[in-house]
Amino acid sequence: SAVISQKPSRDICQRGTSLTIQCQVDSQVTMMFWYRQQPGQSLTLIATANQGSEATYESGFVIDKFPISRPNLTFSTLTVSNMSPEDSSIYLCSVEDRETGGFEQYFGPGTRLTVT
Amino acid sequence: AQSVTQPDIHITVSEGASLELRCNYSYGATPYLFWYVQSPGQGLQLLLKYFSGDTLVQGIKGFEAEFKRSQSSFNLRKPSVHWSDAAEYFCAVRRVNTGKLIFGQGTTLQVKP
Repeated sequence: SAVISQKPSRDICQRGTSLTIQCQVDSQVTMMFWYRQQPGQSLTLIATANQGSEATYESGFVIDKFPISRPNLTFSTLTVSNMSPEDSSIYLCSVEDRETGGFEQYFGPGTRLTVT
Repeated sequence: AQSVTQPDIHITVSEGASLELRCNYSYGATPYLFWYVQSPGQGLQLLLKYFSGDTLVQGIKGFEAEFKRSQSSFNLRKPSVHWSDAAEYFCAVRRVNTGKLIFGQGTTLQVKP
């Protein structure tokens, strides 16, 4: 299975600032996803990031607030812009591993963001 | 629209007792179904999956799940729970065309000694 790392693992930020989260995978993958997990809640997909194309955002999420880069098949970044306390969440990246012929999706350890 | 429902928000079982976590899905085609576990402060770990074939699937950590199309269910089971199984459990369905996962609300499992 793919091994995924995220940086930073946690951060405390002031409102109005921006934070960029990095996601690194140990193998080349086509599909990468960014999820948000608000406190005590389930996961909600923010966007799908495929290399060589613009990210596809889910309803309720916009590029100006959550710009995403996908420069190659092993790396992606998510920026949380102009943060407010409502952005306090865990942000997780995931990849779909197709090496086995299945559709397993593996997750990074997450970035715990607190906005004050 | 596709959706996943986990009817039990919180379950408490005694260590050594059996466990069943419920998951119901709404999906028009044959679903790709997953169970994940999230321990406190950790990311999500894949327990098991169902794509096709045998409706009883085995996963890691002694977990199994049974796909029942007639009931639109994919319940997770374990015959004997260990204290280390205390965690949050998520059921998810994969949208075939996009690959994105739709998650249930999660079930918090507490294990009593």
